Amino acid sequence: GAVVSQHPSWVICKSGTSVKIECRSLDFQATTMFWYRQFPKQSLMLMATSNEGSKATYEQGVEKDKFLINHASLTLSTLTVTSAHPEDSSFYICSARDLRGYETQYFGPGTRLLVL
Amino acid sequence: EDQVTQSPEALRLQEGESSSLNCSYTVSGLRGLFWYRQDPGKGPEFLFTLYSAGEEKEKERLKATLTKKESFLHITAPKPEDSATYLCAVVDGNKLVFGAGTILRVKS
Repeated sequence: GAVVSQHPSWVICKSGTSVKIECRSLDFQATTMFWYRQFPKQSLMLMATSNEGSKATYEQGVEKDKFLINHASLTLSTLTVTSAHPEDSSFYICSARDLRGYETQYFGPGTRLLVL
Repeated sequence: EDQVTQSPEALRLQEGESSSLNCSYTVSGLRGLFWYRQDPGKGPEFLFTLYSAGEEKEKERLKATLTKKESFLHITAPKPEDSATYLCAVVDGNKLVFGAGTILRVKS
């Protein structure tokens, strides 16, 4: 149980294009989903918190117009990197918290983004 | 601000050599301490949640314990497949605050 998927697992794109990453909770409903970014040999950095049906809450220093988050249902959240640039290349990981109110976050397998 | 400190940064063990990883935390009113395992190029895998001092949880060769100031992840007779980065996190408001992790390498 508590499986979270991400799609795609790898994406390579040209500078200036937009990339959408999907995060799905497969066997539970998630009121809250989180988006993290991880640089090589570093720990997870929280980018934003999204609640189903409401606007995402972004961490300080994260551009909300660049990283668009939509949490349209209790099982799906999307992160769109708009006008991507090479410095946006990173490992993006989502997590989901169970609707039943427990604090545990379950993580997806991650999406590797490379912007050329 | 809540802080989570993990030690050591890296740990090399021989297969079968038991050891412990440490996670110390400062938080007002602990609402949960979490251990995750992360393999290179993958998302963190949930291991344990601990809520109160004295609590212990086990899974295969891993055992997590919790005191009022720190948590330990004990690894008994590790195998090479236990090699990974182990992350500790505590609840801070609506989010998790992670430590930097301990990189564990188990050699056969």
